[in-house]
Amino acid sequence: DQQVKQNSPSLSVQEGRISILNCDYTNSMFDYFLWYKKYPAEGPTFLISISSIKDKNEDGRFTVFLNKSAKHLSLHIVPSQPGDSAVYFCAASELRGSARQLTFGSGTQLTVLP
Amino acid sequence: NAGVTQTPKFRILKIGQSMTLQCTQDMNHNYMYWYRQDPGMGLKLIYYSVGAGITDKGEVPNGYNVSRSTTEDFPLRLELAAPSQTSVYFCASSPLAGVYNEQFFGPGTRLTVL
Repeated sequence: DQQVKQNSPSLSVQEGRISILNCDYTNSMFDYFLWYKKYPAEGPTFLISISSIKDKNEDGRFTVFLNKSAKHLSLHIVPSQPGDSAVYFCAASELRGSARQLTFGSGTQLTVLP
Repeated sequence: NAGVTQTPKFRILKIGQSMTLQCTQDMNHNYMYWYRQDPGMGLKLIYYSVGAGITDKGEVPNGYNVSRSTTEDFPLRLELAAPSQTSVYFCASSPLAGVYNEQFFGPGTRLTVL
């Protein structure tokens, strides 16, 4: 049973427009959410995060929104650039066992068209 | 700093063979993790370590073993390789087990078991 879902395997947008990537979760124990970006043949790199006590966090062109009642978060990229083309993973954090653990979604391939 | 390094980059194993995937980090992080990523899926946690000498199971530990004798190194051992272990393996490290849980990933090892 997937606790973190990214229902869109792929998304294409024009350069300069907004990219919106979505993520849904089911586990109420998640208290921190992160987005990672991954290029081919590389490991994921951290992009932006949000605590469950907030509903928005902004960092430059990237904004993450959290709707806790709907168990939904989204990543907005404005304006989108060709270098943003990558796979984006949503991850949710909870304290389990002796450490915080991340549960990842299956990823969304973003393609920004020039 | 090199960050998190993994060797080898690629490996093909025959069923029943064994091998060790190496992971080293030079950031003096206490927490280290091993994930696998199957095609079209998110990353799944295999094992993690909260410090030298301390390891614990993640979501999919069967068929794997780990050890952590130093802060820097966290090798993953496959004893009897099976086709189901064909995957991309990522090692990660984190400086904190607290709120943020931002993990730094290595470039991955692509393993094929035939």
